[in-house]
Amino acid sequence: KAGVTQTPRYLIKTRGQQVTLSCSPISGHRSVSWYQQTPGQGLQFLFEYFSETQRNKGNFPGRFSGRQFSNSRSEMNVSTLELGDSALYLCASSLRPSGSAYEQYFGPGTRLTVT
Amino acid sequence: GQNIDQPTEMTATEGAIVQINCTYQTSGFNGLFWYQQHAGEAPTFLSYNVLDGLEEKGRFSSFLSRSKGYSYLLLKELQMKDSASYLCAVRNAGNNRKLIWGLGTSLGVNP
Repeated sequence: KAGVTQTPRYLIKTRGQQVTLSCSPISGHRSVSWYQQTPGQGLQFLFEYFSETQRNKGNFPGRFSGRQFSNSRSEMNVSTLELGDSALYLCASSLRPSGSAYEQYFGPGTRLTVT
Repeated sequence: GQNIDQPTEMTATEGAIVQINCTYQTSGFNGLFWYQQHAGEAPTFLSYNVLDGLEEKGRFSSFLSRSKGYSYLLLKELQMKDSASYLCAVRNAGNNRKLIWGLGTSLGVNP
């Protein structure tokens, strides 16, 4: 069974631009969560989608948004990029929402650098 | 607030045993996960505890005490490949259950 895939793997953008990241979960998984990981802050939860509905949202500004499609693939968008948005963005999929006993499977991440 | 504490760094010697602690304060409790993350890679699932006690899985074991808000990950017969960051995550309770993540413990294994 194929794992979680994320595209692109690396991205360099300039301040003020916007970016869209994509995540394809493991086949059959309907829950997708997004995280931002930086050395100083660790894993910070962005949002979670299950069956095309946003179930939970972390404490990020409105510049960060996401959606999930009927095939469970998910995208996240960051508008008006800031230098502080430079991070590794991880997507994780699970059979059920994170409120259940099922573990999350992480993708390799997208390394975003904002200059 | 909700908080998860882990030591920032630990070092140990190949072949030894190391215990990585995790204490948590969350709005309710509904399970605790341990993940391993090698540098430059994604986290991978190690263990899950929801009841008190020890869960053993090969060289790795995880312990939970809900009354103390405490868990540890025990790694036996350390190998060089165990050098990684170990992340503790707690699922809270209530209507909006979600995973709360610790900052991770960076473990270095020396020959």
